[in-house]
Amino acid sequence: ETGVTQSPTHLIKTRGQQVTLRCSSQSGHNTVSWYQQALGQGPQFIFQYYREEENGRGNFPPRFSGLQFPNYSSELNVNALELDDSALYLCASSLWVGSALGSPLHFGNGTRLTVT
Amino acid sequence: LAKTTQPISMDSYEGQEVNITCSHNNIATNDYITWYQQFPSQGPRFIIQGYKTKVTNEVASLFIPADRKSSTLSLPRVSLSDTAVYYCLGSARQLTFGSGTQLTVLP
Repeated sequence: ETGVTQSPTHLIKTRGQQVTLRCSSQSGHNTVSWYQQALGQGPQFIFQYYREEENGRGNFPPRFSGLQFPNYSSELNVNALELDDSALYLCASSLWVGSALGSPLHFGNGTRLTVT
Repeated sequence: LAKTTQPISMDSYEGQEVNITCSHNNIATNDYITWYQQFPSQGPRFIIQGYKTKVTNEVASLFIPADRKSSTLSLPRVSLSDTAVYYCLGSARQLTFGSGTQLTVLP
């Protein structure tokens, strides 16, 4: 089975710019979640997408947005980058069955974003 | 959301059994308890999941008491390669990680 892949692996942007991060879900999974992980901290939930719609959101401002495509791949877009946005961004796919999570999260290895 | 609490760090020696306990006082009825392992610069990796009592797989055991307000991850005979951060999650929807437990295995 194909695992979760994220691109790019590293990225450097300037404050105020916009960035798009990409994620390919594991085959058979229909849900994708995005996380921000600052150095030394646990992953913080940004949002989750199911059937191409946002299906839950953490405490992140609207300049964090996403998309899920029919093939269950996903994008995370961040506008007006701030220095504090520097972090590892993780994508995780899973199988959502009915109203419950039917599988554990399967994570990619993330995109390391540095904002200068 | 089921907020979790874990020890910040633990040290152990190679070959010992390690038990990491997580408290999740407000876990919902339909929530599973899931544990993940994370190495530096990698995404978390699923270890084990359970709902109640005991679950065992090839790498770990998970003990969950009847009230489900806590769980204990047991790693038998740890090796240096088990040095990592371990997270417990207790939510069926919003998947909120705590700060995790940094396990350091010493030779």
